[in-house]
Amino acid sequence: GQQLNQSPQSMFIQEGEDVSMNCTSSSIFNTWLWYKQDPGEGPVLLIALYKAGELTSNGRLTAQFGITRKDSFLNISASIPSDVGIYFCAGLRKNTDKLIFGTGTRLQVFP
Amino acid sequence: DTGVSQDPRHKITKRGQNVTFRCDPISEHNRLYWYRQTLGQGPEFLTYFQNEAQLEKSRLLSDRFSAERPKGSFSTLEIQRTEQGDSAMYLCASSLLAESYNEQFFGPGTRLTVL
Repeated sequence: GQQLNQSPQSMFIQEGEDVSMNCTSSSIFNTWLWYKQDPGEGPVLLIALYKAGELTSNGRLTAQFGITRKDSFLNISASIPSDVGIYFCAGLRKNTDKLIFGTGTRLQVFP
Repeated sequence: DTGVSQDPRHKITKRGQNVTFRCDPISEHNRLYWYRQTLGQGPEFLTYFQNEAQLEKSRLLSDRFSAERPKGSFSTLEIQRTEQGDSAMYLCASSLLAESYNEQFFGPGTRLTVL
């Protein structure tokens, strides 16, 4: 099935560093959602974006809905060990309710 | 506050057996979704319900798969004659139908291993 392209595939950073990841598509989306998934658990919703250009924050997390509607970005500031996990973007097209997920970015944080 | 719950969390079965999973959505949510996730991949859409009506099914959902939501509350996903390729995490999500907004909240998943 179709999946969105996420980069980087994995990141190894030191505690306190900032993190940036992105999600791209060849087609337009009306909604972008960002999730975090821990091993053996379901994805947890972090941020939802509904308008092109929208910038939304949730604590140390900031996400943006790309102006072309074909991409989205997630930034994590001052990373901490509990940020470890896999981050997925997911998009919704107009008039559809099935999420299309990205390939995931695996984040490792070292103390 | 009860989120989406799924039962069982883990299921090991032999090839050819039937299995059934249950999902209880967030109580006021009228939409319920099933996704499948294989190792190293993002979840892939299988099907979804609005109340008790099944509105869309993915081509991934072969005729061995059937999903129901009889009273518009909990849902079941049954896989008949399981195959090794059915081994995956089966995720359920729910959302509240609202204009322009569709935030889907996921349960912990049921991990299926077919031997």
